[in-house]
Amino acid sequence: GAVVSQHPSRVICKSGTSVKIECRSLDFQATTMFWYRQFPKQSLMLMATSNEGSKATYEQGVEKDKFLINHASLTLSTLTVTSAHPEDSSFYICSARGSGDRGLYGSSYEQYFGPGTRLTVT
Amino acid sequence: QKEVEQDPGPLSVPEGAIVSLNCTYSNSAFQYFMWYRQYSRKGPELLMYTYSSGNKEDGRFTAQVDKSSKYISLFIRDSQPSDSATYLCAIEDSSASKIIFGSGTRLSIRP
Repeated sequence: GAVVSQHPSRVICKSGTSVKIECRSLDFQATTMFWYRQFPKQSLMLMATSNEGSKATYEQGVEKDKFLINHASLTLSTLTVTSAHPEDSSFYICSARGSGDRGLYGSSYEQYFGPGTRLTVT
Repeated sequence: QKEVEQDPGPLSVPEGAIVSLNCTYSNSAFQYFMWYRQYSRKGPELLMYTYSSGNKEDGRFTAQVDKSSKYISLFIRDSQPSDSATYLCAIEDSSASKIIFGSGTRLSIRP
């Protein structure tokens, strides 16, 4: 259980275009989804937190108009990188947290990660 | 000072060796500590999860938390080539409802 998928797994786009990445929870309802960015040999940096039906909360330094996040249902969140530039090239990973009080390990903040999407902007 | 500090490595050891991976953290209020394993070009997967201080063992893996020194460790016994991956320590910041990751340590087990 607790499977999260991402689509596409890899995308190459031209500078100035927009790219949409989907994150789906396959076997549970995700009340909260998180979007991370990971540069080569670096850690995961949280970009934003989205709750189903609400506006996303962005971390400091993340442009909300550039990284549009939609969490319209309990199983799907999307990240759209608008007017992408080469510096946006990165590995984007989503995670999802289920509803209910506690996860498997007793924390209400337990997250399940997707396999990631590698974005290359040329 | 970063909230979570982790030696990035890389760390290379022969098969069968005991591996010790470590992190330090700054906020004594943190209670939940995790280790994730991330294979190349994949998302991280939860390996171990510890609440407060103490040890937790799962097969060849042992997670240890020392809250007095704000130090967390992951030990891998009888290391295997399949253990080669990046290991990220992570701490749950309950007040902010988010997980803070260390920079990750790249581990390579030589056959």
